[in-house]
Amino acid sequence: KAGVTQTPRYLIKTRGQQVTLSCSPISGHRSVSWYQQTPGQGLQFLFEYFSETQRNKGNFPGRFSGRQFSNSRSEMNVSTLELGDSALYLCASSLGTGGQFEQFFGPGTRLTVL
Amino acid sequence: LAKTTQPISMDSYEGQEVNITCSHNNIATNDYITWYQQFPSQGPRFIIQGYKTKVTNEVASLFIPADRKSSTLSLPRVSLSDTAVYYCLVGPANQAGTALIFGKGTTLSVSS
Repeated sequence: KAGVTQTPRYLIKTRGQQVTLSCSPISGHRSVSWYQQTPGQGLQFLFEYFSETQRNKGNFPGRFSGRQFSNSRSEMNVSTLELGDSALYLCASSLGTGGQFEQFFGPGTRLTVL
Repeated sequence: LAKTTQPISMDSYEGQEVNITCSHNNIATNDYITWYQQFPSQGPRFIIQGYKTKVTNEVASLFIPADRKSSTLSLPRVSLSDTAVYYCLVGPANQAGTALIFGKGTTLSVSS
């Protein structure tokens, strides 16, 4: 079974631009979560989607948004990029929502904002 | 959500057993305890999960005392490739909309 895939793997943008990252979950998984990882802040939860509905959102500004499609694929968008948005963005999928479900992480998208 | 506390870092040598303890004093009745491993520039990977007592799989064991206020991840005979960050997470079962919060984790360094 194919794992979680994320595209693109690397991205370089300049301040003020916007970016869209894509995540394809494991087949059959309906929950997709997004995380931002930086050296200083560690792994921080962005949001979770289940069956096209946002179930939870972390403490990030409104510039960060996401959505999930009917095939469970998910995208996240960051508008008006800032230097501090440079990070590894990780997507994870699971069969359902709740602490008993194993999350399967993708390889991440490395975003660099210049 | 139950807050977790674990050591920032640990050092070990190849072939030794490593035990990483995580405290979660306010764990709730329906919370599960899960451990993840992360290598640099990769996403975390599930290691083991438990609810109570002891769980063992091919890579690790998880010990949970009766009060469930802590848990210990045991890695038998570590190798250099076990050098990674280990995260302890506590999250409720069957509760939609509850995010799993990753703390700072424990950075394990294995030397030869």
